[in-house]
Amino acid sequence: DGGITQSPKYLFRKEGQNVTLSCEQNLNHDAMYWYRQDPGQGLRLIYYSQIVNDFQKGDIAEGYSVSREKKESFPLTVTSAQKNPTAFYLCASSIGARVSEQYFGPGTRLTVT
Amino acid sequence: AQTVTQSQPEMSVQEAETVTLSCTYDTSESDYYLFWYKQPPSRQMILVIRQEAYKQQNATENRFSVNFQKAAKSFSLKISDSQLGDAAMYFCAYRRPGLSGGSNYKLTFGKGTLLTVNP
Repeated sequence: DGGITQSPKYLFRKEGQNVTLSCEQNLNHDAMYWYRQDPGQGLRLIYYSQIVNDFQKGDIAEGYSVSREKKESFPLTVTSAQKNPTAFYLCASSIGARVSEQYFGPGTRLTVT
Repeated sequence: AQTVTQSQPEMSVQEAETVTLSCTYDTSESDYYLFWYKQPPSRQMILVIRQEAYKQQNATENRFSVNFQKAAKSFSLKISDSQLGDAAMYFCAYRRPGLSGGSNYKLTFGKGTLLTVNP
């Protein structure tokens, strides 16, 4: 089955530690995205990548970093510089960045204490 | 900047009945896309329906249909014959056509409407 996988589903970290969230897709999609969801809020874009070895900042990129070394993978690192890292993180992909539909993975709940 | 507003934080419907969720948006663009996404308790976002702004015909997907009023900047979702599995948070989202790159590719989401389906 084609789809987007995110692991782990729940992640716990101590304050001051960097943590990397995994996102893998086997849909052969060129574009990938990372969103953050906070309680009572919609999703906000952190980073997106149109093609391999290319990525751009979204609306709330501060304290986050990404890489896109392979088409199927788009990991997100939450650094210690992110002031409020506890949130639900969703990865998405689309056939191309100019194609409107984005399909989402199951998400990772990150808790930092 | 584009904004999406969902004025109903919560809605409820009886099983087999019809419910309409409201969404309004603000944009100066003439071409764009609108979406409804469903987020069940599993929290995975599922695309329900999409509408292109240049199309006058309202989109339909089985029991789900939209009422797209471009001049009023309104995009409501109608769920017919509601089922228990329809219970979820529903998000309205907007996207520019993305012809010029940058963060045009992002989806701008409303804050969601929690739909409860009563048996």
